[in-house]
Amino acid sequence: GQQLNQSPQSMFIQEGEDVSMNCTSSSIFNTWLWYKQDPGEGPVLLIALYKAGELTSNGRLTAQFGITRKDSFLNISASIPSDVGIYFCAGHLTDSWGKLQFGAGTQVVVTP
Amino acid sequence: IAGITQAPTSQILAAGRRMTLRCTQDMRHNAMYWYRQDLGLGLRLIHYSNTAGTTGKGEVPDGYSVSRANTDDFPLTLASAVPSQTSVYFCASSDRGDNEQFFGPGTRLTVL
Repeated sequence: GQQLNQSPQSMFIQEGEDVSMNCTSSSIFNTWLWYKQDPGEGPVLLIALYKAGELTSNGRLTAQFGITRKDSFLNISASIPSDVGIYFCAGHLTDSWGKLQFGAGTQVVVTP
Repeated sequence: IAGITQAPTSQILAAGRRMTLRCTQDMRHNAMYWYRQDLGLGLRLIHYSNTAGTTGKGEVPDGYSVSRANTDDFPLTLASAVPSQTSVYFCASSDRGDNEQFFGPGTRLTVL
């Protein structure tokens, strides 16, 4: 089952606002990945994190690998309408080579 | 264009019928995976393959089988479909088992 707690479950924001979501776990992860899924499509990788404390940006997206290796967050700055979608965190546990754990997702809705 | 292709895009199937979902990647990735995505349950791993010739069971393997005869192809077979297998199925691949996974566009399967 899911070992990642992702929050919030959904967000309704206005265009131009910043968005922040996070994932936490009681287990230690070796990697943290953030994906975005548009309706009717497969998840698309946004950011991959491999080291505790790592902070990585991809355009308006910024994600961090928590120092305890049990959490990660994703920020989206200055949201635009195409940011609408479901964002998933995922990670590899220390003893589960090849098996990603997924969060339940955060649904983002951007209003003009 | 490099990536993962899945076929069919969607399928309606009578219960008890046999069905094979196809997945092909052209990135020469060693590892491949099959997930199902259900509302409220997120992405759950069905089967995986770390390299050609090997396969392993994921979180929800019952009722499904896979084979990995070569690097590029990873078909998923439902020997006798049941309504609870109605879901969206995603194939994914990664270069190694501990790094980022890339997803296909999905197959929407309905079992009646």
